[in-house]
Amino acid sequence: ETGVTQTPRHLVMGMTNKKSLKCEQHLGHNAMYWYKQSAKKPLELMFVYSLEERVENNSVPSRFSPECPNSSHLFLHLHTLQPEDSALYLCASSQDSLGGNEKLFFGSGTQLSVL
Amino acid sequence: GENVEQHPSTLSVQEGDSAVIKCTYSDSASNYFPWYKQELGKRPQLIIDIRSNVGEKKDQRIAVTLNKTAKHFSLHITETQPEDSAVYFCAASIGAAGNKLTFGGGTRVLVKP
Repeated sequence: ETGVTQTPRHLVMGMTNKKSLKCEQHLGHNAMYWYKQSAKKPLELMFVYSLEERVENNSVPSRFSPECPNSSHLFLHLHTLQPEDSALYLCASSQDSLGGNEKLFFGSGTQLSVL
Repeated sequence: GENVEQHPSTLSVQEGDSAVIKCTYSDSASNYFPWYKQELGKRPQLIIDIRSNVGEKKDQRIAVTLNKTAKHFSLHITETQPEDSAVYFCAASIGAAGNKLTFGGGTRVLVKP
């Protein structure tokens, strides 16, 4: 599949579990993002990576840990989450994060439920 | 930081009628305003965007207008069709940099046949 792919599509985890979300982009973009989408709330930016370096971290709790091993892959490691962390987690990419082609291409998201 | 307010939160229109969604932003330095459409169960996709050096932009049945003085911008959909049913998000950014993009709360549009 071309574009931005995310796995898994759905995830149910307990508060003591450790899991990881994966995102892969096949667009040759230099920037990747994690967004959180909760019901009745705006899309919230969590992390931005540009050329594999983190350039933005919007005061996200440490129980969320991003990793960007290369410009095509982005992970979000989860541990000891809370029920209020249940949401749709969207990955996105863009050509550049610093004023270049700023159109965001989103993945289909991972619907996370924390029990 | 930037704050983007979007209204209405839900909008129901009859097929063929027009739909208008309005957004206001707080930071006068914002200069890039995209609109994303998210159909049920699908990913958000950019449908149109406008930069602060123009006041209006059209693409077939959709148009966006920008009033920099009042700090608000609007999405207009004419001759609505059932496939226009979706959640629409406005956003504003400073410097057109993705890491400065602030989204509005979204508008759920339902086009009734």
